[in-house]
Amino acid sequence: GAGVSQSPSNKVTEKGKDVELRCDPISGHTALYWYRQSLGQGLEFLIYFQGNSAPDKSGLPSDRFSAERTGGSVSTLTIQRTQQEDSAVYLCASSPPSGGTDTQYFGPGTRLTVL
Amino acid sequence: GNSVTQMEGPVTLSEEAFLTINCTYTATGYPSLFWYVQYPGEGLQLLLKATKADDKGSNKGFEATYRKETTSFHLEKGSVQVSDSAVYFCALSDLGDTGRRALTFGSGTRLQVQP
Repeated sequence: GAGVSQSPSNKVTEKGKDVELRCDPISGHTALYWYRQSLGQGLEFLIYFQGNSAPDKSGLPSDRFSAERTGGSVSTLTIQRTQQEDSAVYLCASSPPSGGTDTQYFGPGTRLTVL
Repeated sequence: GNSVTQMEGPVTLSEEAFLTINCTYTATGYPSLFWYVQYPGEGLQLLLKATKADDKGSNKGFEATYRKETTSFHLEKGSVQVSDSAVYFCALSDLGDTGRRALTFGSGTRLQVQP
């Protein structure tokens, strides 16, 4: 079946502009995660969605970052007033419903460059 | 909080050499442990995992054993190939108060295998 997909694959924007990054998780997966991979910080957790529960936003670096998940499926990560330090690869992952230790399946990522 | 420490890279080996990449962790609960691999130009892929103490994860000739007493999950392969050249990430997943199983990653170790 199809894996996690993300779009766009690359995004170049100017400082101060807003950007939206999209994630389509694997069908049936109830958990969805956003991570950021940058040279200086490695791989960092940003936000977590589980079913219809309130998201865990504890990893978001500032209030310029927000995310939503519509209908328990597609998710959009929005960065407002982008800064150069936001340049990174943004990764989305999903995992199936279970009480156990679920594997997370990653998308290919969106490479964001802020000029 | 949780943390993962893995050996600095790059690690450069000749084909058919033995590989060890060290990984140690700190966790407040009973984490699951993972090795993810990122091949050049590709996304993160799960290589192997272990969910409880003394479990051994294995895949594609790679192995890692969950050692609770030493809080370690070292990655080994008996004979590396050029195609194993990639960045390897050790990670843990711990069930927090919110039910979140976000991954905490190590900094990654780049492996270069020369023919």
